[in-house]
Amino acid sequence: TQLLEQSPQFLSIQEGENLTVYCNSSSVFSSLQWYRQEPGEGPVLLVTVVTGGEVKKLKRLTFQFGDARKDSSLHITAAQPGDTGLYLCAPHSSNTGKLIFGQGTTLQVKP
Amino acid sequence: DAGVIQSPRHEVTEMGQEVTLRCKPISGHDYLFWYRQTMMRGLELLIYFNNNVPIDDSGMPEDRFSAKMPNASFSTLKIQPSEPRDSAVYFCASSPPDRGRGELFFGEGSRLTVL
Repeated sequence: TQLLEQSPQFLSIQEGENLTVYCNSSSVFSSLQWYRQEPGEGPVLLVTVVTGGEVKKLKRLTFQFGDARKDSSLHITAAQPGDTGLYLCAPHSSNTGKLIFGQGTTLQVKP
Repeated sequence: DAGVIQSPRHEVTEMGQEVTLRCKPISGHDYLFWYRQTMMRGLELLIYFNNNVPIDDSGMPEDRFSAKMPNASFSTLKIQPSEPRDSAVYFCASSPPDRGRGELFFGEGSRLTVL
């Protein structure tokens, strides 16, 4: 059984603050994706990381894939109310062809 | 381009009734996935298809659940008979042929409430 944990589960911060969300697994994955889901909508892909140690930036969001490809982090700089949503990490197993979704981190950014 | 289209967006039904959820994937995508999302269990993969063929249905909870993909542009998820514990948001997602990265494109979901 592949275990996947995201932390924190909930995060409520003020506009302008920085935050980091973590995603840890017990297995090595070929790639990992981060999705954001807003209420009433489906998850939307933010980024895919493939190489151990890889860092990708998407405006104020910085994504990192761990060297061992078992963990990942998402750092948001100067959070905005528009960043509010559920952030889901989803490692991909090339063996099973499946994406495994974490429980997600619910982020609320207050103006 | 149109994204993944799901219907209905909302369904309220009584226990024991049959429920059919529908999905139209993005044209050209040859993978289709059905997920269920609840507060308690998060997003769970129910079944996925490749080129209209079911590949893995190990996530389908019980025999009451069935899914079909008669052609590349249409899939259904059926629950018969429905039970209150089936209440959830059901998502359909599709993925393009290059699945090396497994990137999914989700529909807006069908919120099912079974009374």
